[in-house]
Amino acid sequence: QQQVKQSPQSLIVQKGGISIINCAYENTAFDYFPWYQQFPGKGPALLIAIRPDVSEKKEGRFTISFNKSAKQFSLHIMDSQPGDSATYFCAASMRNTDKLIFGTGTRLQVFP
Amino acid sequence: DAGVIQSPRHEVTEMGQEVTLRCKPISGHNSLFWYRQTMMRGLELLIYFNNNVPIDDSGMPEDRFSAKMPNASFSTLKIQPSEPRDSAVYFCASSFRRRGSGANEKLFFGSGTQLSVL
Repeated sequence: QQQVKQSPQSLIVQKGGISIINCAYENTAFDYFPWYQQFPGKGPALLIAIRPDVSEKKEGRFTISFNKSAKQFSLHIMDSQPGDSATYFCAASMRNTDKLIFGTGTRLQVFP
Repeated sequence: DAGVIQSPRHEVTEMGQEVTLRCKPISGHNSLFWYRQTMMRGLELLIYFNNNVPIDDSGMPEDRFSAKMPNASFSTLKIQPSEPRDSAVYFCASSFRRRGSGANEKLFFGSGTQLSVL
């Protein structure tokens, strides 16, 4: 119930392509869904986040799509660049709690 | 701002030794989190503090682990005695939790401490 399942584990994309990472959850009490980006040797950093009252949020080349009925959300990276190569984590949190539950991560490699 | 500062960056120790990891959160932040990252288990929340008070330590694996936050600008995570299975990257993160808000909306992570227990 507390888990967030993330796929794929790794992803290889050509420069200019679209990267798509998917996450699923069971607990309907989750109401905040951020994505974090982590470069080697660094801590994760917040990339973009969404609440379930909207189905999509876009910030530059990064878009979160949210499907409340399916309990799924995904990160789309348009026009992927080599600089986007990193590990991406989805996460979820419940209202009135500070616990952020992370997915297992997706290692993205973008080749020129 | 220098961000969240963790020390040491790397720690190599022998099984049975005491290990202390240190964290200085961002000034003005009122929530502090300790996470552990491994290939097998990903990012696991160990414990978090609000206003220097431990709120949830259900993620602390065993009594060998303890965490303190004596003031708003310093926290420690101690492992005594350490075991090889404790080898991981330990992250500290801080955030500002607004009064009346729900979840912490943005965690700022340090660069982590790479712990190797031989």
